[in-house]
Amino acid sequence: GAVVSQHPSRVICKSGTSVKIECRSLDFQATTMFWYRQFPKQSLMLMATSNEGSKATYEQGVEKDKFLINHASLTLSTLTVTSAHPEDSSFYICSAFDSRTDTQYFGPGTRLTVL
Amino acid sequence: AQSVTQLDSQVPVFEEAPVELRCNYSSSVSVYLFWYVQYPNQGLQLLLKYLSGSTLVKGINGFEAEFNKSQTSFHLRKPSVHISDTAEYFCAVSDLSGGYQKVTFGTGTKLQVIP
Repeated sequence: GAVVSQHPSRVICKSGTSVKIECRSLDFQATTMFWYRQFPKQSLMLMATSNEGSKATYEQGVEKDKFLINHASLTLSTLTVTSAHPEDSSFYICSAFDSRTDTQYFGPGTRLTVL
Repeated sequence: AQSVTQLDSQVPVFEEAPVELRCNYSSSVSVYLFWYVQYPNQGLQLLLKYLSGSTLVKGINGFEAEFNKSQTSFHLRKPSVHISDTAEYFCAVSDLSGGYQKVTFGTGTKLQVIP
């Protein structure tokens, strides 16, 4: 299947700092990418849909100003957690929609720990 | 709106025994159905998908699933499990809305293969 990468795989930061996570589709172009958050032993929660060249669509309850999403090219979307707090610690997973197969392919995830 | 129900949060099974992981969905429109597997601290890997055509879908690692429209089910099966199949399995459903694919996940089933 198609390959999606995420960077970094793990990040530890201090409270109040900002963290940027990159999501790349390596062998296909994705006009739509998704960002999920997964709490321990729970399912994935969709945070936002990232559309290339336009503003992201956020799910209800997700703060737009806190979780900044940029989809500047057909292979790259970034999620920036601004002014991170310990409660933002989580596993963040991105996915990219491959229109050739009508399937979402997922990145390996980023473990964020805010001290 | 669409939803996915995975009734079993954990399924223990002995090695080389068969297993079935249950998934039921609800949707007002035609849907696509997926099974993903997640190993600890990793992203999701696509096991198999149903988009159209034959209701019996074969995936990777010897898994298969059958789409049953009348029962709104998409149960995952494997005739003989291995230790390496120990992981969390997520059923997911999507429709094409607004030109992109939005996926709703079930709560996951943890498969524990016992040696």
